[in-house]
Amino acid sequence: GENVEQHPSTLSVQEGDSAVIKCTYSDSASNYFPWYKQELGKGPQLIIDIRSNVGEKKDQRIAVTLNKTAKHFSLHITETQPEDSAVYFCAASLTVGGGADGLTFGKGTHLIIQP
Amino acid sequence: DAGVIQSPRHEVTEMGQEVTLRCKPISGHNSLFWYRQTMMRGLELLIYFNNNVPIDDSGMPEDRFSAKMPNASFSTLKIQPSEPRDSAVYFCASSQLGQGAANYGYTFGSGTRLTVV
Repeated sequence: GENVEQHPSTLSVQEGDSAVIKCTYSDSASNYFPWYKQELGKGPQLIIDIRSNVGEKKDQRIAVTLNKTAKHFSLHITETQPEDSAVYFCAASLTVGGGADGLTFGKGTHLIIQP
Repeated sequence: DAGVIQSPRHEVTEMGQEVTLRCKPISGHNSLFWYRQTMMRGLELLIYFNNNVPIDDSGMPEDRFSAKMPNASFSTLKIQPSEPRDSAVYFCASSQLGQGAANYGYTFGSGTRLTVV
């Protein structure tokens, strides 16, 4: 089955600086890579996703890059703000014929924004 | 839309007791997923349903765990008998998946924090 590795487990950055979280996956057939943000006491919330036919996607201060050859993808957050403090999860999935399948998650990165 | 609704939010039970967790997915979503979250193992997929049919339950840890989806608007995850190592946060998520679906994103509920003593 799919295996997703995520690094680092904890990341502390100064407010206003950029943060980068990296993930690798094992199954070369995976073609959907979402990122989730989880705040304390809440469920994970989708913040951005990318499909295998795209190398980069941006949404305001957030961007995701994908390198299918190397089987890794990254989340980039620019101009970090206190509200960005949370646990971030990467995930991967293999869609077979467009049918449903479950996401395999990384272990998460605790992002701390220092004021 | 109220989102994915899970109940109860917190459950404390004694070892050996039966526990039932409930989930109401977003209306119109055709897929429902049960995940378990612990510090050691992160988010683990337990089982998922597509159009109310269980597709993959290979993540269900033991026969003590069972899940049902009697209709498109309700699912349960049951643990019988419960054990202390079952203590975790259990999340339900739903999505609209399939060919032509514009959005593959999952919407998670707020979770049920289960403590077995």
